[in-house]
Amino acid sequence: DVKVTQSSRYLVKRTGEKVFLECVQDMDHENMFWYRQDPGLGLRLIYFSYDVKMKEKGDIPEGYSVSREKKERFSLILESASTNQTSMYLCASSPGGGSSYEQYFGPGTRLTVT
Amino acid sequence: GDSVTQMEGPVTLSEEAFLTINCTYTATGYPSLFWYVQYPGEGLQLLLKATKADDKGSNKGFEATYRKETTSFHLEKGSVQVSDSAVYFCALRRRGNEKLTFGTGTRLTIIP
Repeated sequence: DVKVTQSSRYLVKRTGEKVFLECVQDMDHENMFWYRQDPGLGLRLIYFSYDVKMKEKGDIPEGYSVSREKKERFSLILESASTNQTSMYLCASSPGGGSSYEQYFGPGTRLTVT
Repeated sequence: GDSVTQMEGPVTLSEEAFLTINCTYTATGYPSLFWYVQYPGEGLQLLLKATKADDKGSNKGFEATYRKETTSFHLEKGSVQVSDSAVYFCALRRRGNEKLTFGTGTRLTIIP
């Protein structure tokens, strides 16, 4: 079974703090993704990575950065958290190549910035 | 660009009712189409998929058929259960593109 794990289920941070969200997958997938999920907006892609040390901006990268130093781990960084970054953050992974491959999701991290 | 439009919710049905959640898409070429489900407090999991026109995906009593002529992938189930209460997302993945494009999600509540 593919497993995607996220470091925290719930997180509360203060405005201006630097926040790290960690994601680990155990299936040797090439691709990893970070989304945020907000009511009425669905899932929006923040960043994705198709290989170690490679990254591409998604639809809403502003205020975020990412790091992928090892194939199995993909980190999302909020450089200076703001209240409008309060959201559910979902990590996903998928094999590379072939549009029929699904993405496998972690359980999500609900981040509250106060 | 690519887009997915799905039926707005929330949708509330009685147990054993027939379910349809509409999904239409805009994309160049012939994308693969997916339905994901998110149960309360969990991440998304794949419910079913179809990779070419006229394919039918099915799982857990749910079905969806890839209709190229109407650019649609409507989700159906003949008799829903309380355990089907969840948020359902339609999504597409264009060939040569690693990214998924999601609809906004439809919250389904089944009452006994």
